[in-house]
Amino acid sequence: ETGVTQSPTHLIKTRGQQVTLRCSSQSGHNTVSWYQQALGQGPQFIFQYYREEENGRGNFPPRFSGLQFPNYSSELNVNALELDDSALYLCASSLPPNQETQYFGPGTRLLVL
Amino acid sequence: AQSVAQPEDQVNVAEGNPLTVKCTYSVSGNPYLFWYVQYPNRGLQFLLKYITGDNLVKGSYGFEAEFNKSQTSFHLKKPSALVSDSALYFCAVRAGLSGTYKYIFGTGTRLKVLA
Repeated sequence: ETGVTQSPTHLIKTRGQQVTLRCSSQSGHNTVSWYQQALGQGPQFIFQYYREEENGRGNFPPRFSGLQFPNYSSELNVNALELDDSALYLCASSLPPNQETQYFGPGTRLLVL
Repeated sequence: AQSVAQPEDQVNVAEGNPLTVKCTYSVSGNPYLFWYVQYPNRGLQFLLKYITGDNLVKGSYGFEAEFNKSQTSFHLKKPSALVSDSALYFCAVRAGLSGTYKYIFGTGTRLKVLA
């Protein structure tokens, strides 16, 4: 059984640019969540997708958007990047009936200059 | 406001001694509670969860946690610490209903087990 994979592993962008991060969920997992983890902080919940529909959202502005595809992989898009968007972005997948148990990928480290 | 608090930034314990990592929460309704561990340069790993039932839940690597509703706490424990347990531990809660879920993580507690 393959785990959660994320790409790219590292990324450098400049302020105002747009970025797309990708996540492949664990085999059979139809729920995907995204988190932002700033240095020295706990993960902050961005949103969750279940069967291609948004299933919950944290306190992030609309320039953070997402997609889930029919194969349950997912993308996180961030527009108009700000310096404070520099962080580790984590993807987590889960499988009903235990959707609350999340399995995390290694993350994508984004640096905004 | 919904929140999770981990009052200790770091916990030091000698190998072989029992360990406790503290967590308190403030959410409405009946929360789902979790502990995750993060090793350097790796993603978070699920340790255990409480949904309902027995207040003492057992998880991976010999860890357990006790749910206390009156104190709104969910402390992580292990009877005998190992050096390999040294890592960053996060308490988390899921709040809300289907379609409006929110996952709230604490700021983390760094556990250092000394040989």
